[in-house]
Amino acid sequence: EDQVTQSPEALRLQEGESSSLNCSYTVSGLRGLFWYRQDPGKGPEFLFTLYSAGEEKEKERLKATLTKKESFLHITAPKPEDSATYLCAVQVGSQGNLIFGKGTKLSVKP
Amino acid sequence: GAGVSQSPRYKVAKRGQDVALRCDPISGHVSLFWYQQALGQGPEFLTYFQNEAQLDKSGLPSDRFFAERPEGSVSTLKIQRTQQEDSAVYLCASSLSSVRSYGYTFGSGTRLTVV
Repeated sequence: EDQVTQSPEALRLQEGESSSLNCSYTVSGLRGLFWYRQDPGKGPEFLFTLYSAGEEKEKERLKATLTKKESFLHITAPKPEDSATYLCAVQVGSQGNLIFGKGTKLSVKP
Repeated sequence: GAGVSQSPRYKVAKRGQDVALRCDPISGHVSLFWYQQALGQGPEFLTYFQNEAQLDKSGLPSDRFFAERPEGSVSTLKIQRTQQEDSAVYLCASSLSSVRSYGYTFGSGTRLTVV
C-alpha cells in the first residue's frame, strides 16, 4: 500500500534555529513528490515538486531534497512567519491525484 | 479569477440533510480535484475531473457523495443524508493539464460540520 509518513508531528524552534522536516514514502512508482505549506483556515500552498533522487530545490529559507526513500525540507534561520503546517505528498498515478502525509506543525518563536 | 474560490466557507448541517459545496477553479485550468481533510490530518483524495469528465471517483467514501462539473469549469460536490463522520474541510484544487509542471492551486476549503 502506498504510504507517506512525516516526522516530527510538531516542531518548535527559536528564530534563527535551523532544522529539517522529514517525509518518508513507500510507493509503487513515484511520479513526483510535493511539498506544501498550510496556514490555519487556508488551503495548502504549493512550495516544491521533486521528481528524481538527488534533486534539490530552494526558495528563500527553504530547501527540499529527495532520495529514493525520503525527502527533507530544510529550514535555514527560520522566522516567526515560517510558522505553519508543512505537508508532503506523492503522486503515483498519471492523473495527478496525491497521497498526503499528516503534516509537520512548525512553530517559530521570536 | 486569480485563485480557486470555494463556497460556502462554512456550512453547518443537521444529520440527514443534503449539502452542496461549490468550487470555482482558476480560469483555463483543465484538471480539478476534490479532497477531504479531517482535523489534524492531511488531505485525502476524493475525485478528479479533466474538463467535464470525471475520470476517477475512487476516493468517494460512499454513494452518498456525488460530484459534477457539467461545463468543465465550476464543480459541485454534493453529500446526501449527511452523517457526523462527514464533518471535515472539503478542499478543491485545480491545475493546468500537467501537474508535473505546475503543481496544484488549492482553494481555502469549505468547513462542514454535521450536528
